[in-house]
Amino acid sequence: DARVTQTPRHKVTEMGQEVTMRCQPILGHNTVFWYRQTMMQGLELLAYFRNRAPLDDSGMPKDRFSAEMPDATLATLKIQPSEPRDSAVYFCATDRGLGNEQFFGPGTRLTVL
Amino acid sequence: SQKIEQNSEALNIQEGKTATLTCNYTNYSPAYLQWYRQDPGRGPVFLLLIRENEKEKRKERLKVTFDTTLKQSLFHITASQPADSATYLCALDGGIYNQGGKLIFGQGTELSVKP
Repeated sequence: DARVTQTPRHKVTEMGQEVTMRCQPILGHNTVFWYRQTMMQGLELLAYFRNRAPLDDSGMPKDRFSAEMPDATLATLKIQPSEPRDSAVYFCATDRGLGNEQFFGPGTRLTVL
Repeated sequence: SQKIEQNSEALNIQEGKTATLTCNYTNYSPAYLQWYRQDPGRGPVFLLLIRENEKEKRKERLKVTFDTTLKQSLFHITASQPADSATYLCALDGGIYNQGGKLIFGQGTELSVKP
């Protein structure tokens, strides 16, 4: 049963701390997306990669957010320093290529105090 | 930029009735449109994809229509059940400058099916 995994599932941290979220894509999926979901803004695309190369990170505040794919089995999203407005659920999703359905992970619920 | 509007209010219907959810968009016409279901505390789950040259797509009790003239997609659940209660999201491809299958999601419509 192939699925996207994300860690941690929940994270509570203090403002100013570094937060790292991890995603393991489904084997064989070559596109990885990072989304943020809040009640006010809904589901927003932050960044995405194809074949590990970054394609678009225009949705991400680049002064504090960074996304990387060190290898095909791991994608990371880092926030440094974190702020209370970063509190949200962060989803990783993957697909097999252009025009295909996306498979979402369970999300990381981040609370920044 | 693309703007997507889904039913802003939650939709409450009686079990057995047909639920109809609306997704309207402005600006460019997408090459395809997808519908997802999201349950509380979980990630969205893909339901259906419809391409610009398709008028209608069906899957079991689900039906999606795509009207590129009206810039609208309708999502129908026939013979609805309480288990269909969830939030439904429509998503459009990112347009002519789209690279790599980027999707733009609507805010979602919360559906509640009462027994």
